[in-house]
Amino acid sequence: QSVLTQPPSASGTPGQSVSISCSGVRSNIGNKNVYWYQQFPGTAPKLLISRNDQRRSGVPERFSGSKSGNSASLAISGLQSEDEATYFCAAWDTGLGATVFGGGTKLTVL
Amino acid sequence: QVQLVESGGDLVNLGGSLRLSCEASGFTFSHFYMNWVRQSPGKGLECLAYISSSSLTIYYADSVKGRFTISRDNAKNSLYLQMNSLRAEDTAVYYCARGDGDNYPDYWGQGTLVTVSS
Repeated sequence: QSVLTQPPSASGTPGQSVSISCSGVRSNIGNKNVYWYQQFPGTAPKLLISRNDQRRSGVPERFSGSKSGNSASLAISGLQSEDEATYFCAAWDTGLGATVFGGGTKLTVL
Repeated sequence: QVQLVESGGDLVNLGGSLRLSCEASGFTFSHFYMNWVRQSPGKGLECLAYISSSSLTIYYADSVKGRFTISRDNAKNSLYLQMNSLRAEDTAVYYCARGDGDNYPDYWGQGTLVTVSS
């Protein structure tokens, strides 16, 4: 049971757009930045989006992040087969004094 | 380029101990917070511990407080995690991760597997 809530799965066909949600509370997403990570099976998570909407160097423009209130979203447009991975959100939690994570959303490209 | 390489994961008996290491390169290690994050099928990603650049600030998750000790040696560009009184629920892949300016993990190692067996 992760502190941040994500849907366990999402899917789309090549070329479509998908959105992955991440919800928290005021002590984390509500007051702090949200980060998004991409993970392929057997590999470490890779940072995609920092500070809510800042794409890391080398991340395609198809990936975008946003935040509103206690929730955040990762949007992927023009879905490609290589986007099939698990995506995690993260935020600092002021109550815990540490980074907390979502349970991950497994994205399937049909 | 930033590289983090963990080692020390193993199969260990219930109640046993293990020491994980993480060797860093490609950045000025002594300037950054460092984290240990674990990933298990049952609990997802969990930030277990972090340590500030000077070792003055240390955090432990409640799940490991009193059993695990994080430390670093800036002269050796290395991060450590001493794990004692290991439990079945400590079975996971353990990652070391560099903290960015806000101490969110930005670069991760490849992970090392710890399996606690009864």
